[in-house]
Amino acid sequence: GDSVTQMEGPVTLSEEAFLTINCTYTATGYPSLFWYVQYPGEGLQLLLKATKADDKGSNKGFEATYRKETTSFHLEKGSVQVSDSAVYFCASFRAGKSTFGDGTTLTVKP
Amino acid sequence: GAGVSQSPRYKVAKRGQDVALRCDPISGHVSLFWYQQALGQGPEFLTYFQNEAQLDKSGLPSDRFFAERPEGSVSTLKIQRTQQEDSAVYLCASSPERIGLAGEYNEQFFGPGTRLTVL
Repeated sequence: GDSVTQMEGPVTLSEEAFLTINCTYTATGYPSLFWYVQYPGEGLQLLLKATKADDKGSNKGFEATYRKETTSFHLEKGSVQVSDSAVYFCASFRAGKSTFGDGTTLTVKP
Repeated sequence: GAGVSQSPRYKVAKRGQDVALRCDPISGHVSLFWYQQALGQGPEFLTYFQNEAQLDKSGLPSDRFFAERPEGSVSTLKIQRTQQEDSAVYLCASSPERIGLAGEYNEQFFGPGTRLTVL
């Protein structure tokens, strides 16, 4: 079946540092890819998405590019803020089902 | 407007008890999904409804798990004879459109989840 593997955490960064969270997927066919974010005490929220190869999803300063050749969808942000502290989930969607990674906890210190 | 709500938010059950978890999707949303999230892991798909029809239940872990959405709005996930391995957060999500034949994505809106602890 489909699977998603993302970088293990936790990740701790200082404010204004560069962020990368790696995500790779395996799937039969071409899934849509997503990053979700879960802030403390809140539910999952869609952060960004890409539905086909070479698409770039972006939102709130975060970006991720759908790379078919490397089956990857790495999340990046050039300058993180304390308010970005959360758990980030990479996910794929194909044939009516979502497959999630195990999440990466990000803590940003002032 | 109101988002997806779930109740109860927390449930403690003794092993062997039956539990029922409720999901109120966003009004008018056609698609409804249930997920199970174990501690430290990502959500895992359980089942999917399009209106009142349960189109995919391949993720339900055993026949002790049963889900329904009789009027195409509120959904209930029932777990019979709970076991300790059922302890998890159960997430509900809804989407405004049906999943297409090609499986193309529609944004899912997640509820806060119900944390089930089986003692």
